Order: sequence, then C-alpha cells, then structure tokens
Amino acid sequence: DAGVIQSPRHEVTEMGQEVTLRCKPISGHNSLFWYRQTMMRGLELLIYFNNNVPIDDSGMPEDRFSAKMPNASFSTLKIQPSEPRDSAVYFCASSYGQISYEQYFGPGTRLTVT
Amino acid sequence: GENVEQHPSTLSVQEGDSAVIKCTYSDSASNYFPWYKQELGKRPQLIIDIRSNVGEKKDQRIAVTLNKTAKHFSLHITETQPEDSAVYFCAASKRGSQGNLIFGKGTKLSVKP
Repeated sequence: DAGVIQSPRHEVTEMGQEVTLRCKPISGHNSLFWYRQTMMRGLELLIYFNNNVPIDDSGMPEDRFSAKMPNASFSTLKIQPSEPRDSAVYFCASSYGQISYEQYFGPGTRLTVT
Repeated sequence: GENVEQHPSTLSVQEGDSAVIKCTYSDSASNYFPWYKQELGKRPQLIIDIRSNVGEKKDQRIAVTLNKTAKHFSLHITETQPEDSAVYFCAASKRGSQGNLIFGKGTKLSVKP
C-alpha cells in the first residue's frame, strides 16, 4: 500500500489566491482527517470525515476554508482567499474507524502564502 | 469537549538516560491514548498506544502508563539514543468518535550523545 498520498508537497502562493490541497487516503480506511501544524499552535484538527460525511468541522478557522470528500478515495481542502497566516504544514490522515483508531498520516503539504 | 495537556514542552537528556513525558486529559469518557513521534520534517507516526482497560503497556524501550482515576498517562523511554530525538505527541479519543484524536501540544525531546 502506498500509504496516504498528499499533493502538492509544497505550495507557494500569493495572498488572495485560491489554494487546493489534495489527499488520497489508504484504501479501505473510512475516516479521514485534515490537520494544520504550526510552531505556535501545534497540531490542530481542522475537520474530519467518516464514510465521506463531514462529522466535525469546528476546527476550520473561518469561512475561507472548506473541505470536501466526494468519494472514499479523495478529499480536498480549499482556502479561498489565502492569507499569510495560513502558512503551515497541512496533514491529511486516515484510519479504519471502529476497527483501529491508529491514524496514518500523509507526508504533508507545506503551504507558504506571501 | 476533550482537552489534552502535555508536559514538558522541551526535554533534554543524555544518551542512555530515561525520558518521561506526561499528559492529562479532561474527558473521563476517553478510552484510547496513543503516542506519536514526529521527526524533523517528517510526518507523525504512531509508536505505542494504550486503551483504558489496561494500566501499562511496553514495547522494547518504550512504555506507556495510564491512571484513569487521575486522568493522566505517561510515556517512558529507557536507554535513550540520539535517534529518539523528535517531537512526541500524546492524544486521547473516546468510543464512538470515529477515532477523532485530540492531540497535546507536543514535547521536543533532544538526546545528547
């Protein structure tokens, strides 16, 4: 298994631009999580899905952030418009819900907004 | 909701010494407590976990203890090695949460040769 796949690995964009981060979870996993990691705030859960349905999006910082999971093998996190304070590493993780709570993290996307 | 506190934020030890990281949680319904290790520039990876029906679990040089009454759990690393240097995160989750983990802020462990 290739593990959780994220793209792009690095993204540099200008303030005001739209950014889309992508994630492919491990096949068979039914829970998917989006995290943001910064030095100041640590590892923050933004949103998570179970069986493609958003369960808790209370961590999404504001309306500029949105996430979708159109099917079991793909999810996106979109920031529009982006701001410099959105600069962070964004991780996607997946797990097999009730069977095992172990979360497998993707390699992350390092986002820099100038 | 759940809140997880982790201490210390940084820890420096000599190679061969032991390291202990402590976490407390607030929700008595939490029943799963994993520890993740994140090396510099890498992704977090699970190193050990414990469920609420167990008080202690060991895996070679690492062990985790859980005190449900006091709502705290700890990671113990013995005979530390330079490759143990990383950021360690504790987390808590409860049944029915689809595995949603609430993470502590992390502990940066430095092992000096």
